[in-house]
Order: sequence, then C-alpha cells, then structure tokens
Amino acid sequence: DAGVTQSPTHLIKTRGQQVTLRCSPKSGHDTVSWYQQALGQGPQFIFQYYEEEERQRGNFPDRFSGHQFPNYSSELNVNALLLGDSALYLCASSEETGGLAKNIQYFGAGTRLSVL
Amino acid sequence: GNSVTQMEGPVTLSEEAFLTINCTYTATGYPSLFWYVQYPGEGLQLLLKATKADDKGSNKGFEATYRKETTSFHLEKGSVQVSDSAVYFCALFYNQGGKLIFGQGTELSVKP
Repeated sequence: DAGVTQSPTHLIKTRGQQVTLRCSPKSGHDTVSWYQQALGQGPQFIFQYYEEEERQRGNFPDRFSGHQFPNYSSELNVNALLLGDSALYLCASSEETGGLAKNIQYFGAGTRLSVL
Repeated sequence: GNSVTQMEGPVTLSEEAFLTINCTYTATGYPSLFWYVQYPGEGLQLLLKATKADDKGSNKGFEATYRKETTSFHLEKGSVQVSDSAVYFCALFYNQGGKLIFGQGTELSVKP
C-alpha cells in the first residue's frame, strides 16, 4: 500500500517565479492538507482540500493556492516566489467521516523548495 | 489562540538513558494530542496519540499521557537508542478544524 507521495523531491527557483508541487494521498484517503516547514521550525498549516474544495486556510497570502482533483490528488501553487518561501512543503492525507476529519494525518516526505 | 510549546533542544543523551521531552498546550475544548517524529531528510511519522484526558499513548517504547489539569503531554522513553536520534514534534488537533498545530520541535541526539 503506497503511502503519501510527493513530487518533486527538490526544487530550485528564483524570486518572482511560480512553482507547482504535487501530492498523491494514501489509498482510501479523501482529504489533503498542506504544511510549510521552515528550517528549524514546526510545520505551519497552509490549507486543506476535501471534495475538490478548499475547506480551511491558515495564515498564508493569496500567492499560495491549491487544487484537488477527482482522484483526490492535490497541487500546491505558489506565485511570485519570495526568498522567505524557501522551506520543506509537506502534504498530509486523512479520511473524512461523518462530516469530521479523522484525527490521524499521514505525511509524505516533502518537497524541499529553495528560492534564490 | 491554540498553541503548543515544547522544550528547547537539542537534547543530547547517552544510549540507554531516560528521555523526557516536555510539551504543554493552550487550547479551548478537547483536542487530540500527538507526537510525530522526523528523521533526517524525511517527512513526519506518527509516533503516538491520545484523544482524551488521562489517555496514555504508547509506541516503540515511547509513552505520553494526556494531562488536562496541567495541559501537558510529555514524551518519555525509559532507555533511548542511537536510532532514536531525530526531531520530535508535539501537536494538537480538532476534528472540527481538521488541522494540526505543531510545536517548534525538539532535536534529540543519542550518543553510543
């Protein structure tokens, strides 16, 4: 059973560029959450997708956007990259039940984004 | 607002020493509490969880008890191994919100 997979593993971009990160959830999971982990910090919640819609959003600017596809996979897009966007981006998947997210999230290995 | 505070690292121990990593939280209501572990160059792995007051989560020799009276969820292990070297994150979760709120992480280094 494949776990959560993310691609690419590493990315190098320059300021002002745009980037797209991809995530495939664990089999049977329908909810995808994205987190940003700066060096030496804990992950910070960006947003969550369920039924192809953004359900909840953390304190991130509109430059961060996402999408969920019918097969539950997801993309994270970041426009107009800043140096401060350099971080490990983690995708987590979980199941929804009875209208509430199940409380176990499984994480992928992440995409390391470097903005020069 | 809701938040999690962990003890500062790095924590350096000798093999077979006793481990405690402190975690306290600020939250309304009744969140679930988690410990995740991150090995170098990897994502987060769930280590253990507790969903209500006085629950004890345990896995791979690690334990933590959900203490509502002290708003704490300290991680303990009786005898650490070199392979336990990693960064440990305490986190809280509300089903209604669906997001994890993490502490800043505590790096553990175990020397042979």
